Amino acid sequence: AQSVTQPDIHITVSEGASLELRCNYSYGATPYLFWYVQSPGQGLQLLLKYFSGDTLVQGIKGFEAEFKRSQSSFNLRKPSVHWSDAAEYFCAVGARPGTYKYIFGTGTRLKVLA
Amino acid sequence: GAGVSQTPSNKVTEKGKYVELRCDPISGHTALYWYRQSLGQGPEFLIYFQGTGAADDSGLPNDRFFAVRPEGSVSTLKIQRTERGDSAVYLCASSLFTGLAGSTDTQYFGPGTRLTVL
Repeated sequence: AQSVTQPDIHITVSEGASLELRCNYSYGATPYLFWYVQSPGQGLQLLLKYFSGDTLVQGIKGFEAEFKRSQSSFNLRKPSVHWSDAAEYFCAVGARPGTYKYIFGTGTRLKVLA
Repeated sequence: GAGVSQTPSNKVTEKGKYVELRCDPISGHTALYWYRQSLGQGPEFLIYFQGTGAADDSGLPNDRFFAVRPEGSVSTLKIQRTERGDSAVYLCASSLFTGLAGSTDTQYFGPGTRLTVL
């Protein structure tokens, strides 16, 4: 069965510092991978996705993520965090083929210090 | 519309009551999904519609939960005899996913309905 683990429940970084949010998945083949961000009272907004091809994917708001098959990971990174990045971040996996049922991790809440 | 909309944004009800939650997907999206997000958890899949039909309702927790999409656009999630454990944020998403083998597409989420059962 598929599963997604986000080991860090909370992360605090200073504004301007770099960020890495961890995501590990369990799936027998190469999955579809997603990162979503959820601000208070808002729906989930897609940051980026990986379907195939280049394992380093670029997303919106300056985020990127790298798919590492050997480590079953899809970590999210940003070189310089802004105060507006404070939110909850969810990693999700979709099975192939015919993906429609996303499995989400439990989320990582990011706090940004001024 | 510009995005997925959900109404109401908040719903407070008493244990045992019936509630309906509405989702208006992005225009032209044939696929529609409902998820439930409990406090401190990620969203959990409930049901997926392709057009008017429920293609996969395996995530519905029990027969008190039911969803419809009669015209292939707006969907309503219905919960009978609500229980305190039903309290959560109910998220709706839509996509261009066709349901054909090998196809996939990005799901776009609405802001959710926060349901509180007293």
